[in-house]
Amino acid sequence: NAGVMQNPRHLVRRRGQEARLRCSPMKGHSHVYWYRQLPEEGLKFMVYLQKENIIDESGMPKERFSAEFPKEGPSILRIQQVVRGDSAAYFCASGAGSYEQYFGPGTRLTVT
Amino acid sequence: KNQVEQSPQSLIILEGKNCTLQCNYTVSPFSNLRWYKQDTGRGPVSLTIMTFSENTKSNGRYTATLDADTKQSSLHITASQLSDSASYICVVTSVHSGAGSYQLTFGKGTKLSVIP
Repeated sequence: NAGVMQNPRHLVRRRGQEARLRCSPMKGHSHVYWYRQLPEEGLKFMVYLQKENIIDESGMPKERFSAEFPKEGPSILRIQQVVRGDSAAYFCASGAGSYEQYFGPGTRLTVT
Repeated sequence: KNQVEQSPQSLIILEGKNCTLQCNYTVSPFSNLRWYKQDTGRGPVSLTIMTFSENTKSNGRYTATLDADTKQSSLHITASQLSDSASYICVVTSVHSGAGSYQLTFGKGTKLSVIP
């Protein structure tokens, strides 16, 4: 049973471009969580999704950021018109409905 | 506001020595507390999880304690190994039964370096 998969592991974008980060949850998990980690900072919650539904997006910036978890396929975190301040590690975690979360390896986004 | 404070921020110890990391929280309503280990460049991996009624839990050389009255937890590592070098993150969960949702509050972590 593969763990949580994230790709790409590293992503470089120029300012103004779009970044798409993918997360495939563990088999049997229907809950996905996205977190952002800035250098030397703790993880910050962004959004919690179940299949086709956003449950809690209280940690998402109001503009340029969006997330989805379609019926088929991975969850996508999309950042439009990236800026240097978006450079961070983005982690996805999945769960089966309880409060246990299993983390993926993260995507490191660098905006140049 | 829910907060989790960890100390020290960083710690250097010699291989084979023991150490204790601290976590203080102001999270309400409390559901559980977890310690994660995060290796550089990797995602966090769960070490222990404790609910309100548990005051100690072990996982190999890692032992976590919880004092729900003082809202403090500690992670004790015995006979440290070089591979213990990582960030250790304390995470507290609060559950809002009415809304059917829960929230995780993360500490910033303690960066442990084990040197030969």
